[in-house]
Amino acid sequence: EIVLTQSPATLSLSPGERATLSCRASQSVSSSLAWYQQKPGQAPRLLIYDASNRASGIPARFSGSGSGTDFTLTISSLEPEDFAVYYCQQRGNWPITFGQGTRLEIK
Amino acid sequence: QITLKESGPTLVKPTQTLTLTCTFSGFSLSTSEVGVGWIRQPPGKALEWLALIYWDDDKRYSPLKSRLTVTKDTSKNQVVLTMTNMDPVDTATYYCIHRNKLRYFDYWGQGTLVTVSS
Repeated sequence: EIVLTQSPATLSLSPGERATLSCRASQSVSSSLAWYQQKPGQAPRLLIYDASNRASGIPARFSGSGSGTDFTLTISSLEPEDFAVYYCQQRGNWPITFGQGTRLEIK
Repeated sequence: QITLKESGPTLVKPTQTLTLTCTFSGFSLSTSEVGVGWIRQPPGKALEWLALIYWDDDKRYSPLKSRLTVTKDTSKNQVVLTMTNMDPVDTATYYCIHRNKLRYFDYWGQGTLVTVSS
């Protein structure tokens, strides 16, 4: 089973700042990685797929990069609605696995 | 517009079997490369993938597979998940999800909280 390790566990930033979230896989997943955003009481929402492609309707301030074992989700300028929990997920190998999440909170 | 909705018991006793139904609309599970699956999330914890069933009836399970069964009824637009021998650690919100042709989860149900307690 591929383990996804997300860092940091919590990130405290202010609106307008740049956020950089990391996801590291225990073995290569090529580019088969997605990022999801989850707000309290809501289901997760797909943000990025195949490491760097924005899903439909996702603002351009969200971008993804990486391949192999190291991936990054960047939010270029934080909006108030971006404060949430972010999960990475790999589909490169069975079973599908998720990271433990990064909580992005307002500083 | 794709929608999915989970239904089933909100409370089950330890050792019982959980049966959840996902009723969906806006797509057909007979369309090539489409899948419907289940993901759960214990309160305050991370997401855990459980199972997937594909348009061709292929099925994939997490390491919990000895306890899981997923079936589909294409005519009713429903997918059913059964999980045997429920334990309090299985208390979680269970989500039904749509897997698209790119093999990612692009639509999610609202989730249903299942509590396991005697």
